[in-house]
Formats: sequence, C-alpha cells, structure tokens
Amino acid sequence: ILNVEQSPQSLHVQEGDSTNFTCSFPSSNFYALHWYRWETAKSPEALFVMTLNGDEKKKGRISATLNTKEGYSYLYIKGSQPEDSATYLCASNQAGTALIFGKGTTLSVSS
Amino acid sequence: GAVVSQHPSWVICKSGTSVKIECRSLDFQATTMFWYRQFPKQSLMLMATSNEGSKATYEQGVEKDKFLINHASLTLSTLTVTSAHPEDSSFYICSARDFGTSSSSYEQYFGPGTRLTVT
Repeated sequence: ILNVEQSPQSLHVQEGDSTNFTCSFPSSNFYALHWYRWETAKSPEALFVMTLNGDEKKKGRISATLNTKEGYSYLYIKGSQPEDSATYLCASNQAGTALIFGKGTTLSVSS
Repeated sequence: GAVVSQHPSWVICKSGTSVKIECRSLDFQATTMFWYRQFPKQSLMLMATSNEGSKATYEQGVEKDKFLINHASLTLSTLTVTSAHPEDSSFYICSARDFGTSSSSYEQYFGPGTRLTVT
C-alpha cells in the first residue's frame, strides 16, 4: 500500500520567516508528485506537479524539490506572509494508480 | 486554472435518508472524476474513480450500493449516499482530470467539498 507522509503536522511562524515542509513517499514505481495548497472553505489549489528526479519548481515565494530515488520532496516558502496560512497537501502516485495523499501540513503565519 | 464546483457545500440529513452531491467541471471536460472522503485529522481517502459513460471503480472497502456514483456527462458526476447513517458523516470532495492538453494530464482539479452531517 502506497503511504505518503508529511511533516510537520502543523507549524506556526512569524511573518517574514522562511519555512519548509517534507513529504516522503515510496520511491518504487514512482510516477508523479503533487503539492496542493488548501485554504479553509476553498478548493485545494494545485501548486506543483513534479515527475523527474531532481525537479525543482518555483511559483513566486514558493518552491519545491523532488528526490525520487530516496522518496522525498521539500516545499519551501520564503518570507512567509499571513496569506500563506493554509494546509499544504502532498500526493503521489505510481503509474496507472490514483493519487495517494498525505495528511497535510497546516501552516499558520502571524503578523 | 480549471474550475470545479461542488454542491451543496454542506448538508444535514436524518438517518435513513439519501443525499446527492454534485460535482461539475465548469470550464473543461472531465472524462475522469474522483471522489474522496476525509475524516477529521485524516488524509483524503479515495472512494471511487468515475469515468464518463461507464461504471465507477470503487476502492476496497467502499460499498458501491451505498455510495452511488453517476457520471453521465463530461462535466457532471454525482455521488449519492443512500440510507445515510451517522458514521457516514464526513467531508466529501471531488476532483476532475482535464485531458484537454497533454501537459495537464497529470493534474487534478478539486471542488471545495461537501460537509455531510447525518443526525
């Protein structure tokens, strides 16, 4: 059974701090790794989809890296802002299978 | 990006009644839609995969006669929780895959979810 783990479960940072979270997944038969940003009462918003070992993607102050050989991905937020407060979901799948989600990391940024 | 709507956003029903939840892709055609359920402090758990014009594929442990899924068009899938019981109270969320372009074939777009409470 594919198991995706995220850490930490939650964290609280001050505005302007930089932070990062971890997603670990089984590396065998890897197909794709997804990061979503989920604000309360809204739809999860796709941030990144990564497929190749060594992939690095960036969207504004948010970036992500992928290591498929060791089965982990990092999400980085530079200079956190209150509007970054959300739950960040990681999901992975093997070829031909559905996405398996982690429990998410809930980020709270205070001003 | 692609938009997926879900209706209703929340519903309270009595035990024994049935509840229908709609999932619509608003600006793209979705040949495949997915239904997830999330219990408190747990991850999104896939319930079933819905393909337009064919029967849904259910995950192990999900009763197909209790959770009826219909995907009659390329923009609409429905989930009906039949004879709901308090243990069915959960957060149900759908997603849709846009196969319009090859670059988006990896991506899934989510609706905002439905909070179901069965009393």
